[in-house]
Amino acid sequence: GESVGLHLPTLSVQEGDNSIINCAYSNSASDYFIWYKQESGKGPQFIIDIRSNMDKRQGQRVTVLLNKTVKHLSLQIAATQPGDSAVYFCAENIHRGMGNQFYFGTGTSLTVIP
Amino acid sequence: DAGVTQSPTHLIKTRGQQVTLRCSPKSGHDTVSWYQQALGQGPQFIFQYYEEEERQRGNFPDRFSGHQFPNYSSELNVNALLLGDSALYLCASSSPAGDTQYFGPGTRLTVL
Repeated sequence: GESVGLHLPTLSVQEGDNSIINCAYSNSASDYFIWYKQESGKGPQFIIDIRSNMDKRQGQRVTVLLNKTVKHLSLQIAATQPGDSAVYFCAENIHRGMGNQFYFGTGTSLTVIP
Repeated sequence: DAGVTQSPTHLIKTRGQQVTLRCSPKSGHDTVSWYQQALGQGPQFIFQYYEEEERQRGNFPDRFSGHQFPNYSSELNVNALLLGDSALYLCASSSPAGDTQYFGPGTRLTVL
C-alpha cells in the first residue's frame, strides 16, 4: 500500500541555521507533493508544492527537492527562525478514479533554538 | 477572502452518540475532503466530495458519512461513536483548476 514516512521524528536547529527535513514515499504513481506546516492546535498550512515532472522548486526561504529515483523528498528552510517551530508533513497526492487524496507521513517536529 | 472554516471548534460526546461537523470551503473552491488526525499522527483521508457526491473514500467504516450542499459546504457525520474516534477532524478544500488542498483549523472531537 501507499505510505509516506519521515526519516526523523524530531529536529532541533539553532536560529539562523538551515534546516533540512526528509521524507520517503512509496508509490511511484504519486504525481504531486505538498509540504505542510502544522502549529499546535491549528490545521496544516500549505508551504510549498512540487509536481513529479520537476526536481526542485523554490519559495521564500524554502526549497523542495524531489528525487524520483529513490522516492525521496526534502524540505530545506533557510535561516530558520523561531516562528518556523512546528510539525512538518510531506503529503503525496494519488489520483484514484475521478478524485484525489493525499497520504501524509507521521511528521517531523522542528524546534528552533534561539 | 475567507479561508476554510470549520465548526464547532471543540466537541465532547459520549460513546454511542452521533456527531455532525461542518465545513465551509475557501471561496472559489468546489471540492471538499475530510481527514482524521489522531494525536501525534499525520492526517488520514476519510472521503472527498464534489458536485454533492462522494467521489472517493478512504479506509473508514460506514459509520462515517458525509454530505455536500449546493453552496459547496459540507458535513461529516459519525454514528455510534467509539473512544477511538477522538481526534482532530480536518476539512480541506480545492479549486476546480487544481489538486492543492487547503486546510481549515479543524474540529477537536473528544469521545468519553
